Amino acid sequence: QKEVEQNSGPLSVPEGAIASLNCTYSDRGSQSFFWYRQYSGKSPELIMSIYSNGDKEDGRFTAQLNKASQYVSLLIRDSQPSDSATYLCAVQGGKLIFGQGTELSVKP
Amino acid sequence: SAVISQKPSRDICQRGTSLTIQCQVDSQVTMMFWYRQQPGQSLTLIATANQGSEATYESGFVIDKFPISRPNLTFSTLTVSNMSPEDSSIYLCSVEDSVAGNGYTFGSGTRLTVV
Repeated sequence: QKEVEQNSGPLSVPEGAIASLNCTYSDRGSQSFFWYRQYSGKSPELIMSIYSNGDKEDGRFTAQLNKASQYVSLLIRDSQPSDSATYLCAVQGGKLIFGQGTELSVKP
Repeated sequence: SAVISQKPSRDICQRGTSLTIQCQVDSQVTMMFWYRQQPGQSLTLIATANQGSEATYESGFVIDKFPISRPNLTFSTLTVSNMSPEDSSIYLCSVEDSVAGNGYTFGSGTRLTVV
């Protein structure tokens, strides 16, 4: 079992729709959870961090964490073509471990 | 958040040679992290570099192949030694931001092609 697993892509949504990205992790001792966005040829940039169960909203982005289910998700509302990128889930117990990424394509 | 300057941004190297990648951070940090991103793949942690001690390597990575230096709290280098085409990847350095909730910041990456 992979330490951090994301739903396989690519995920394609129409402009204005909600994009839902999911991630599960194996280490129950994990404390911190991050979503990074990576455009092709660029380094990852942090878009959301979440540390406690529940929802955290920042603009069009909502991160959801359920530690009992070892599940973290990212919702992108009103998706824009500029959101097209690979989204990486990262989980920190001792070290920061990345999932394999989900490629999102937002079609105009 | 921290700003990391990483160089070179890209290089094409002959097999059997070595390349040293440098990362400079604009603030003092205890730990620096080196990642590899193979084509079409996610990020894999190579090692954690602490100032004043030997780097800690992850399973599958060894010091002879990826020697790391950490001479002070703002600088680190990663060398990719005796390169083969399988080493063609993007290499990234990273630091944990001192501001809680800011996660980890990455350098701009070094795109290495071994021919």
